[in-house]
Amino acid sequence: KNQVEQSPQSLIILEGKNCTLQCNYTVSPFSNLRWYKQDTGRGPVSLTIMTFSENTKSNGRYTATLDADTKQSSLHITASQLSDSASYICVVSAKSGGYNKLIFGAGTRLAVHP
Amino acid sequence: NAGVTQTPKFRILKIGQSMTLQCTQDMNHNYMYWYRQDPGMGLKLIYYSVGAGITDKGEVPNGYNVSRSTTEDFPLRLELAAPSQTSVYFCASSYVAGGPYEQYFGPGTRLTVT
Repeated sequence: KNQVEQSPQSLIILEGKNCTLQCNYTVSPFSNLRWYKQDTGRGPVSLTIMTFSENTKSNGRYTATLDADTKQSSLHITASQLSDSASYICVVSAKSGGYNKLIFGAGTRLAVHP
Repeated sequence: NAGVTQTPKFRILKIGQSMTLQCTQDMNHNYMYWYRQDPGMGLKLIYYSVGAGITDKGEVPNGYNVSRSTTEDFPLRLELAAPSQTSVYFCASSYVAGGPYEQYFGPGTRLTVT
């Protein structure tokens, strides 16, 4: 069964600190992995998309890594800001003919405190 | 560009009532999607469309109907609302559906059925 599991469920950090969010998946056949940021009351917004051959990708203070062998990904946030408070969702795309099905994790809720 | 817009933002329905959730995109995307997001769960695909006049079921289509008469619009119809349909509904669109395509989400509609 295709599944995406994220940890921790929630996290509180102080402004300026770094943090790392984890994502484990059992999705086959794998197409790509993406991280989304979802602010409260808003739709998800894409941060990074990585294909099988990419093992790291950055978007400003966000750096995602992918280990396709162990089926793990992480999202590292550097020098956190109050505006980083949001849910971070790991999404894995499975190849399915001409349409790639997206399997969503439940998300990690991050709170950045001053 | 407004991107993906959804109306209404909030709605309360009584059991057995019907309603239509509206979704419009102005990016000339071929693919459009409807998801639901339940508390503590990942987004689940309800229906998707690969172009005007073509729709197909996702993971959780029961209790919903869709139509796609134009490229821009993809309304979701709830017939005979049930408490199990209480959720946040997101519409999304993408230019293509294969490979590392970008999927853009609307702001969501929060629906409560009592």
